[in-house]
Amino acid sequence: KAGVTQTPRYLIKTRGQQVTLSCSPISGHRSVSWYQQTPGQGLQFLFEYFSETQRNKGNFPGRFSGRQFSNSRSEMNVSTLELGDSALYLCASSYRGTGELFFGEGSRLTVL
Amino acid sequence: QKEVEQNSGPLSVPEGAIASLNCTYSDRGSQSFFWYRQYSGKSPELIMFIYSNGDKEDGRFTAQLNKASQYVSLLIRDSQPSDSATYLCAVRLGGGTDKLIFGTGTRLQVFP
Repeated sequence: KAGVTQTPRYLIKTRGQQVTLSCSPISGHRSVSWYQQTPGQGLQFLFEYFSETQRNKGNFPGRFSGRQFSNSRSEMNVSTLELGDSALYLCASSYRGTGELFFGEGSRLTVL
Repeated sequence: QKEVEQNSGPLSVPEGAIASLNCTYSDRGSQSFFWYRQYSGKSPELIMFIYSNGDKEDGRFTAQLNKASQYVSLLIRDSQPSDSATYLCAVRLGGGTDKLIFGTGTRLQVFP
């Protein structure tokens, strides 16, 4: 069974640009959540989607947005990038929001 | 006060010893508790979860929960060098969601 797939794995952007990250959950998993991981703050919840609906949102500015498609694949977008957005962005899926998360390998974003 | 607190470590234990990892949380409404392991350069993976007060055992791992003291711990028996990783404690406030609040993790080092 394929795991959670995230693309791209690495990317470098400059301040002011925008970025879109993609996540394909484990087959059959309908819940997708996104987390940001930085050395100082650890893992912080961004948002969660279930059946194309945003179920929860973390305490991040409106520059961070996401969506989920009918096939459960999800994307997140960060607009007007800032240096502080440099982080590992992790996507996780679960069958139906049990907290038992399966994480992808992450997309490492560097903002210059 | 951080919502989920862990000692950052490193916690160093000899091979074969018991490693004890601790976590405290601030929200008494927390319902579910998770331990994730993260190897350097890898994404987190779920080790155990616990919902009820008391102990829960799975192989060499035992999770302990004390809701009155707002304390959860993970014991690793017969520690192996391959257990060397960062252990992340996470709590979930309600059911039916993958929104977890993570601690910043405890780095465990098991030396031969």
